[in-house]
Amino acid sequence: GENVEQHPSTLSVQEGDSAVIKCTYSDSASNYFPWYKQELGKRPQLIIDIRSNVGEKKDQRIAVTLNKTAKHFSLHITETQPEDSAVYFCAARAGFQKLVFGTGTRLLVSP
Amino acid sequence: NAGVTQTPKFQVLKTGQSMTLQCAQDMNHEYMSWYRQDPGMGLRLIHYSVGAGITDQGEVPNGYNVSRSTTEDFPLRLLSAAPSQTSVYFCASISRAAAGELFFGEGSRLTVL
Repeated sequence: GENVEQHPSTLSVQEGDSAVIKCTYSDSASNYFPWYKQELGKRPQLIIDIRSNVGEKKDQRIAVTLNKTAKHFSLHITETQPEDSAVYFCAARAGFQKLVFGTGTRLLVSP
Repeated sequence: NAGVTQTPKFQVLKTGQSMTLQCAQDMNHEYMSWYRQDPGMGLRLIHYSVGAGITDQGEVPNGYNVSRSTTEDFPLRLLSAAPSQTSVYFCASISRAAAGELFFGEGSRLTVL
């Protein structure tokens, strides 16, 4: 089955810096890669996703890149703000199958 | 349109007790699933269902039962609670047509003493 690894487990940056979180997946059939943000005590919420027919996708300060050959994808947050502080999860799925999550990255943005 | 509704939000059990976590969605989504979230381990899939009458096991199914008698409801049953089942549980759903975003409930925090 699919296995998703996520790094780093914690990431501390200064406000205004960029943050990068990386994930690798094992199943070459996976074609959907979402990123979820979870604030303390809240439910995970989708912030951006990418499908395997696209190499990069941007939405304002966040972007995701996908390298199918290497089976890895990354989340990039530019101009970080304190409200970006949260736990971020990557995930991978093949078709309409079960979504497998990474173990999460705790991002702390210091003012 | 309430989305995905989970009850209860908090529950404390004693070892060996049984209980059911309720999950209901009003979006007519075919796919529903249960995840547990533990520190440092992310979200792990317990059971899922691709439609009424169909269920399957995820990564960590032991100690849990599910059923899907209707499209809307997907309860998770703990038959004999153990301290290892102390966790936060999330129910989630997705539309086959959308095949994209997973919609999560607010979560249920379960403590087993």
